[in-house]
Amino acid sequence: KNQVEQSPQSLIILEGKNCTLQCNYTVSPFSNLRWYKQDTGRGPVSLTIMTFSENTKSNGRYTATLDADTKQSSLHITASQLSDSASYICVVRGPMFSGGYNKLIFGAGTRLAVHP
Amino acid sequence: GAVVSQHPSWVICKSGTSVKIECRSLDFQATTMFWYRQFPKQSLMLMATSNEGSKATYEQGVEKDKFLINHASLTLSTLTVTSAHPEDSSFYICSASPGQGSHEQYFGPGTRLTVT
Repeated sequence: KNQVEQSPQSLIILEGKNCTLQCNYTVSPFSNLRWYKQDTGRGPVSLTIMTFSENTKSNGRYTATLDADTKQSSLHITASQLSDSASYICVVRGPMFSGGYNKLIFGAGTRLAVHP
Repeated sequence: GAVVSQHPSWVICKSGTSVKIECRSLDFQATTMFWYRQFPKQSLMLMATSNEGSKATYEQGVEKDKFLINHASLTLSTLTVTSAHPEDSSFYICSASPGQGSHEQYFGPGTRLTVT
């Protein structure tokens, strides 16, 4: 079964600290993996996208890693800010379905709270 | 670029009434639009996929007669929740894809529906 699992479910850190969020997937065939940030009451915003051959991708203070062999990804946030408080969702583009589009498989997300 | 808007951003309606939610791609033509539903503390669940000018494809368990989708133009798709009930209260998010070889999905900001 195609699944994306994230850990931890929630996380509280102090402003300025670093943190790492985990994503394990069993999606096959694999096309790419994205990390999204979703603020409360808003739609998801893409942070990074990684294909099979990429190991690391950075976007400012966000660094994503991908190990396609173990089917694991992580999102590292450096020097956290209060505005980083949000849900972070790992999304894997999976098998193609009718209509020619690859289905997006969503993780449940990690809710991050950054406290002053 | 690649901006998707939704209207309204939030709506409250009485049980038994119908509600229409609009999804627009502002700066590109969307061959395909997707509708998702998100319950509190859960991830996005795909409801249906719609291609311009054709009938929507609904995911298993989603009632097509209750959630009417119209994709009449390349920049507009609408989701109508008919005879809404309190259990339909949720966060509805659309995404749009330009097609033509691009499988990117750009997400809208979401619509919060509360049925009283």
